[in-house]
Amino acid sequence: NAGVTQTPKFQVLKTGQSMTLQCAQDMNHEYMSWYRQDPGMGLRLIHYSVGAGITDQGEVPNGYNVSRSTTEDFPLRLLSAAPSQTSVYFCASSQPGQGSYEQYFGPGTRLTVT
Amino acid sequence: GQQVMQIPQYQHVQEGEDFTTYCNSSTTLSNIQWYKQRPGGHPVFLIQLVKSGEVKKQKRLTFQFGEAKKNSSLHITATQTTDVGTYFCAGGNNQGGKLIFGQGTELSVKP
Repeated sequence: NAGVTQTPKFQVLKTGQSMTLQCAQDMNHEYMSWYRQDPGMGLRLIHYSVGAGITDQGEVPNGYNVSRSTTEDFPLRLLSAAPSQTSVYFCASSQPGQGSYEQYFGPGTRLTVT
Repeated sequence: GQQVMQIPQYQHVQEGEDFTTYCNSSTTLSNIQWYKQRPGGHPVFLIQLVKSGEVKKQKRLTFQFGEAKKNSSLHITATQTTDVGTYFCAGGNNQGGKLIFGQGTELSVKP
């Protein structure tokens, strides 16, 4: 199993450009989440999904869109990139079983917006 | 909304000293998780606590969940250089996979 994969690993965008960060998992997990990590801010939840076709907003959803058409994939779209979106983005998945919500994280995408 | 605060932000210790990081939630939690992130890496799950007053141990690491299920701590006994990294707590409130992370405590260990 590859676990959680993310592409690309690095990306530089100009202000106003759009792009999609890809996330895929091969563990058949129901739950998937997107976080951004900034120095001193920890991990902040952007959007999450509890199953295909179901998404919800996290703490910092503005400027980002998500969809979950399959169990495996959970792409994150930046509609019009801004310098404030410069960050490291992590995707995570989990499969609750008997109350366990252990999350498996991907390797991250480092995004710079100039 | 729910907030999870974690202190201290940084901790520098000499190898062999103990280390503790504390986590406090603004609301009662259904569970709390702890993760470790090595420099340049991604967060890796350490443990989950669900019961009021629960204490769990993993070798030199001791995890506690408060009686009111609003606070938690991670204690490392006799730190080693392999303990270097950032430790995060994350609180869950039974909203599916939704977790709110603390800001993390960055641990450095001087040999």
